[in-house]
Amino acid sequence: KNEVEQSPQNLTAQEGEFITINCSYSVGISALHWLQQHPGGGIVSLFMLSSGKKKHGRLIATINIQEKHSSLHITASHPRDSAVYICAVDGRNKLIFGTGTLLAVQP
Amino acid sequence: KAGVTQTPRYLIKTRGQQVTLSCSPISGHRSVSWYQQTPGQGLQFLFEYFSETQRNKGNFPGRFSGRQFSNSRSEMNVSTLELGDSALYLCASSRDGLAGGYNEQFFGPGTRLTVL
Repeated sequence: KNEVEQSPQNLTAQEGEFITINCSYSVGISALHWLQQHPGGGIVSLFMLSSGKKKHGRLIATINIQEKHSSLHITASHPRDSAVYICAVDGRNKLIFGTGTLLAVQP
Repeated sequence: KAGVTQTPRYLIKTRGQQVTLSCSPISGHRSVSWYQQTPGQGLQFLFEYFSETQRNKGNFPGRFSGRQFSNSRSEMNVSTLELGDSALYLCASSRDGLAGGYNEQFFGPGTRLTVL
């Protein structure tokens, strides 16, 4: 079993829909990162959180340390949100990555 | 502030050769981490350098090595290249590094290595 599990692996949504991507982990962590990767490879850090909830524009990230679970929400999704979203945990002095969620938002 | 830069962006090598990749972090960042991304294995942590010292290492063979200079620039070297080393190699810089106080990772554009 992977130490970081993401679901779903693939997600297709219509423009305007509310999207949720989930991340569960099994190791002790000091922080959890949500990353976005567009075709071509560039990775952007969306959030780094160790407790509670953070919001940037239409993106919201939450984490429940007791349940070892985090969610990334996208409100009012747009085709430009189409990308791979990757959860990574900062644990045991290294980043451990989930396999990513491929999101396609159709107009 | 300038972002993280990586050179070269693309590289083609043959089996048995060695390669050196370079990463220049954001000014003021002392930590540089290296990652390998392949379609089969996804993103995997290679190692982290902080203030010229390797602080953490992932599960990769000794053919993968690195170093960091006093200006925080880092290089990664892969010797005796194998076909399976074909991948996107990403570096990321952060202010405090893994297990540090503030560890938001700022990624470079990556170097795409193809081994023939």
